[in-house]
Amino acid sequence: DAGITQSPRYKITETGRQVTLMCHQTWSHSYMFWYRQDLGHGLRLIYYSAAADITDKGEVPDGYVVSRSKTENFPLTLESATRSQTSVYFCASYSSSVDTQYFGPGTRLTVL
Amino acid sequence: GQQVMQIPQYQHVQEGEDFTTYCNSSTTLSNIQWYKQRPGGHPVFLIQLVKSGEVKKQKRLTFQFGEAKKNSSLHITATQTTDVGTYFCAGGGISGNTPLVFGKGTRLSVIA
Repeated sequence: DAGITQSPRYKITETGRQVTLMCHQTWSHSYMFWYRQDLGHGLRLIYYSAAADITDKGEVPDGYVVSRSKTENFPLTLESATRSQTSVYFCASYSSSVDTQYFGPGTRLTVL
Repeated sequence: GQQVMQIPQYQHVQEGEDFTTYCNSSTTLSNIQWYKQRPGGHPVFLIQLVKSGEVKKQKRLTFQFGEAKKNSSLHITATQTTDVGTYFCAGGGISGNTPLVFGKGTRLSVIA
């Protein structure tokens, strides 16, 4: 039982390409989140989802698209990658029973 | 919107010295959570504080939540090299149907 996983762990792509980052959790948590982490900015929320088919924008949603057709999966798509989207991306899920978030291992994305 | 400020941004200490990081919110928080991220790792939940004036301890770590529920602190007594990492506070909470807002973190370096 891996809990929350992300794939790929590392990705190099070119400007203008579409990229999808995958996130999968095995706990059936309702809430899931996508963050990006950049030096000097900490963790910034991109999108979150309260349940399957329910998503909402976070602090920095521009250039990203999410979907949540199943509770356990929350993919993040960069429709046309830009260099400014080079970052480390963390997915997280929320447990209401202990009121805390569990983070995945992260995806390091480089856009050339 | 809600903002969470965290200071200092960096802290270098000699092993055995104490360390404190402070977190301040622009609005009253329903709760505050603290996370630790080791270099190259992902944020890991440490603790949650909910009550005004609450103090919790985990071995050498002491967490406080201000009386007005707008500030918090994490104090580490007699730092060790295993304490190295970035410490994040995060305010808000799902109970208010709003995602956590993270501070930018304090990066702690411990010199042996």
